Amino acid sequence: TQLLEQSPQFLSIQEGENLTVYCNSSSVFSSLQWYRQEPGEGPVLLVTVVTGGEVKKLKRLTFQFGDARKDSSLHITAAQPGDTGLYLCAGVSGGGADGLTFGKGTHLIIQP
Amino acid sequence: AAGVIQSPRHLIKEKRETATLKCYPIPRHDTVYWYQQGPGQDPQFLISFYEKMQSDKGSIPDRFSAQQFSDYHSELNMSSLELGDSALYFCASSPRLAGGLETQYFGPGTRLLVL
Repeated sequence: TQLLEQSPQFLSIQEGENLTVYCNSSSVFSSLQWYRQEPGEGPVLLVTVVTGGEVKKLKRLTFQFGDARKDSSLHITAAQPGDTGLYLCAGVSGGGADGLTFGKGTHLIIQP
Repeated sequence: AAGVIQSPRHLIKEKRETATLKCYPIPRHDTVYWYQQGPGQDPQFLISFYEKMQSDKGSIPDRFSAQQFSDYHSELNMSSLELGDSALYFCASSPRLAGGLETQYFGPGTRLLVL
């Protein structure tokens, strides 16, 4: 069974601060996706990373895939209250229609 | 842009009843996935279908079954419902791309409450 360890589980910081969320595994993933989920709604895709060492930027969000494709990070610069939410990392180990393995999620609160 | 459609959005059933959840994938997506998310839990993969054939199987109980139809929509059939089946059920869809590195796009979910 593949596991994705996501940390921290909870994070509350002040507006304007920077933060990093980590997603680690002992297994290799063919791709890794980051989602944001609001209560009672479906996960919304933020980014997919597929190449070891890949870095993708989405405005103030920077996503990195580890060289060995076993870990990933999400860095938010100058966090804003609108960034508040649940962030989930999810990986696929094989190809085809394999189901995603999700991390437990990071509950992020940005205080004004 | 069109998204994944799920129906119903909310469903209340009693123990031992049956339920059918429907999923309509994004147009031109041929793969659908079903996930179950309990309160405070991360989504757990149940089952997936590609071109109407079961592709991958996760932690789907034997009481549940699913299928994908010729128009690519999918239905999750749940029988002998138990209290523990109360959860959010998500459907996701993806296009089949070369290399198999599909990105999954999630629907809004069906909230099932079993009383």
